[in-house]
Amino acid sequence: DAKTTQPNSMESNEEEPVHLPCNHSTISGTDYIHWYRQLPSQGPEYVIHGLTSNVNNRMASLAIAEDRKSSTLILHRATLRDAAVYYCILNRNTGNQFYFGTGTSLTVIP
Amino acid sequence: NAGVTQTPKFQVLKTGQSMTLQCAQDMNHEYMSWYRQDPGMGLRLIHYSVGAGITDQGEVPNGYNVSRSTTEDFPLRLLSAAPSQTSVYFCASFRDGYTFGSGTRLTVV
Repeated sequence: DAKTTQPNSMESNEEEPVHLPCNHSTISGTDYIHWYRQLPSQGPEYVIHGLTSNVNNRMASLAIAEDRKSSTLILHRATLRDAAVYYCILNRNTGNQFYFGTGTSLTVIP
Repeated sequence: NAGVTQTPKFQVLKTGQSMTLQCAQDMNHEYMSWYRQDPGMGLRLIHYSVGAGITDQGEVPNGYNVSRSTTEDFPLRLLSAAPSQTSVYFCASFRDGYTFGSGTRLTVV
């Protein structure tokens, strides 16, 4: 199984950028990199995904290493509402069977 | 457009009882799945379905059954509840990305 490795927790000051790392050294050529976040007492919500090129949307940016063995989710200006658990997931694209790890718990300090 | 709707939101069962967790989506997604989340843990895949009439097992299928008679509905049945099944259950549907329901918090005593 293609697995990901993330730090258990990170802290950021409010209104500063946050870089959440993810290692996926066993990624295969057709695996998409997905990021989801889970706010307290809610289901996970989609943040962003990509294959090879860096991606931007209204929520965040995704930077993918050239060898695709790691990626970084970038929140440009952290707000208190961004405090959540962030999951980096590889979609093996053969049934959309996402395998969640324990993610990174992000604390935003006012 | 309600997205993914799960019922009930909370449930307490006695050991050995059976029940069905309901899940419905109105986005016409073919792919649906059930996850469970234990305290402090990530989500684990129980069962999934790639379309009406087709289901398959995920990581932790024991003790659960599913069926998919329509595109919209994907109920999860607990056959004989055990305390180890105390968890939060999330249903989700997928097209390009996942849309999750708000969860069912189940306690088995």
